[in-house]
Amino acid sequence: AQRVTQPEKLLSVFKGAPVELKCNYSYSGSPELFWYVQYSRQRLQLLLRHISRESIKGFTADLNKGETSFHLKKPFAQEEDSAMYYCALSGPSNAGGTSYGKLTFGQGTILTVHP
Amino acid sequence: AAGVIQSPRHLIKEKRETATLKCYPIPRHDTVYWYQQGPGQDPQFLISFYEKMQSDKGSIPDRFSAQQFSDYHSELNMSSLELGDSALYFCASSLVDGGNYGYTFGSGTRLTVV
Repeated sequence: AQRVTQPEKLLSVFKGAPVELKCNYSYSGSPELFWYVQYSRQRLQLLLRHISRESIKGFTADLNKGETSFHLKKPFAQEEDSAMYYCALSGPSNAGGTSYGKLTFGQGTILTVHP
Repeated sequence: AAGVIQSPRHLIKEKRETATLKCYPIPRHDTVYWYQQGPGQDPQFLISFYEKMQSDKGSIPDRFSAQQFSDYHSELNMSSLELGDSALYFCASSLVDGGNYGYTFGSGTRLTVV
């Protein structure tokens, strides 16, 4: 079974401080990991995915298979980063798999960046 | 750019009534996923369709059914509504290798059962 855990429900930091949103997962295979963001009253948006190794809005996330983690980091938080962040896991892209493409979400972390 | 369209945005129904939620995926996307997010809860996967065939099934009650039509839009039918069905229902669409491209979500339909 696949599982995603975000241990922090709420996270508050001051503007300019570093921020790290934790995400741990369990999956018997090679998962694909994502971070989604939901700004107030807006839809969920894909922030980044581990396979692209990109940096979006200053955020990065490294997949650590040894620790089964995919923590989201930003060196200098901004007030506009305040939002709900979801870590998500998907099985590998395999059209023949029964769980193909299904996302499993973590519980979400509400990030508040204070001025 | 076109996004995933869901209708209606809000829906209020009484217990034991029936509701139909619609999802229009991004053009050329062939996979649709339905999620349910209760108040203060993380999204739960309900069901998905690939090329108009059910591809996966999650924690979807037997009172619910869904299908994907020839134009790739999908409908979630919910019967004998219960108070606990009140939630945000959102769908997502992707290409067949959606794991590489990620998902595009709709804004959701907020269902309130009274």
